[in-house]
Amino acid sequence: EDQVTQSPEALRLQEGESSSLNCSYTVSGLRGLFWYRQDPGKGPEFLFTLYSAGEEKEKERLKATLTKKESFLHITAPKPEDSATYLCAVQGPDDYKLSFGAGTTVTVRA
Amino acid sequence: DGGITQSPKYLFRKEGQNVTLSCEQNLNHDAMYWYRQDPGQGLRLIYYSQIVNDFQKGDIAEGYSVSREKKESFPLTVTSAQKNPTAFYLCAISGTGNTIYFGEGSWLTVV
Repeated sequence: EDQVTQSPEALRLQEGESSSLNCSYTVSGLRGLFWYRQDPGKGPEFLFTLYSAGEEKEKERLKATLTKKESFLHITAPKPEDSATYLCAVQGPDDYKLSFGAGTTVTVRA
Repeated sequence: DGGITQSPKYLFRKEGQNVTLSCEQNLNHDAMYWYRQDPGQGLRLIYYSQIVNDFQKGDIAEGYSVSREKKESFPLTVTSAQKNPTAFYLCAISGTGNTIYFGEGSWLTVV
């Protein structure tokens, strides 16, 4: 069974203080690893898909990287508007299904 | 994603009552999904449908039912058999590259 573990559960940052979120996974045959951002009371918003080890993707202050066992979401010089819960999910051979981690809640203080 | 509409945003269910959550999409995508989200837990798949008139159970289908009579609609019924229905329910569609896009969600509370 696919498993996804995100750490830490919560992260409090000062504005401008860069940090990284971790997503460790086990899956038989990775089709893709997905990162989402979720604001309170809203549906998850798609950020990135990574397909193979060594791949990197960037969007504004966010950069996602992938190895064979984990993915990192790097937040560079965060701003208060980056405060959200970040969700990681993996897609295995059954391409209909995403298995999600519990998320990391990031709070950025001005 | 603006092309996925869930309603109502908030719903209250009495004990023993069935309730239906609506999900409509205007993106012409074949695959649609229902997920459940509980505090501190990851999203869990309830049901999914890849074509009209066909659907499959996900990981936590017990106490739920769905239909897929039209491509654009995938309603979820929470039946009285679901003993712990209070949660945030998310409808989703599968887009380009198997990326799954979510609606804004519906809150269901048992009163």
